[in-house]
Amino acid sequence: EPEVTQTPSHQVTQMGQEVILRCVPISNHLYFYWYRQILGQKVEFLVSFYNNEISEKSEIFDDQFSVERPDGSNFTLKIRSTKLEDSAMYFCASSLYVAGAGYEQYFGPGTRLTVT
Amino acid sequence: TQLLEQSPQFLSIQEGENLTVYCNSSSVFSSLQWYRQEPGEGPVLLVTVVTGGEVKKLKRLTFQFGDARKDSSLHITAAQPGDTGLYLCAGDPGTASKLTFGTGTRLQVTL
Repeated sequence: EPEVTQTPSHQVTQMGQEVILRCVPISNHLYFYWYRQILGQKVEFLVSFYNNEISEKSEIFDDQFSVERPDGSNFTLKIRSTKLEDSAMYFCASSLYVAGAGYEQYFGPGTRLTVT
Repeated sequence: TQLLEQSPQFLSIQEGENLTVYCNSSSVFSSLQWYRQEPGEGPVLLVTVVTGGEVKKLKRLTFQFGDARKDSSLHITAAQPGDTGLYLCAGDPGTASKLTFGTGTRLQVTL
C-alpha cells in the first residue's frame, strides 16, 4: 500500500542552525502539507502546497519556514534558524480528491526535531 | 477559528466493554476524518465521513457524522487491548487546505 515517507526520523540541531526535513508523498497525490505536534499537544497545521505554490499557511509558518518541491517526488520543509520552541514532531501529509471521500490526508511517520 | 472538542479526554476500560468518543464543533465541515495515533508515530487514517447523518463501520468501530456536519462520534464495540491509542478527529473544510484537529481521546483497554 502506498505510504508517505519522511527522513530523518530524528534530527538534533543547535539553536540558530538550519534544518531541512524531507518527505516523499504518495506518488499520485497532488496536495501536500506540513503539520507539527509539540509533545502532549494537538496536531497543528503549518502549510499546504499545491501546483508548486503555497495555498495556505498558518501563523506559525513565518519567514523562518519555507517549503519546496524540488523534483517530482520530494517535498521539503526548511527552518532557516531554529529556535528552542521549534522542537516538535513534524508530519508531512499528502492528499488527492476522491469523490465521496473528499481530500483524505495521509500522514507520514514524522520527524522528531530536537533543538538544543 | 474552527475548533474541535473531543470527549472524553481519557478513557480507561476493560476488554469487552463498549465506548463512545465524541467530536464536537460549532463549525460546519465538508467532511470529518478520524485518525488513530500511536506514541511517536504519525496519525493513521481510519475513516472519512462526508454526508450529514452518514454511518460507516470498520469492523468493531462505528463512525457517525452529525446531520448538520458539525459533530461526529466513534463507537467501539467489545473493545480489545489492541484498540489502545490516541483517537483524533479532524475537520476538513473541503478546500484541500488544512485539517483542524481535535483535542484527542486517549483510550486504554486493559485485560
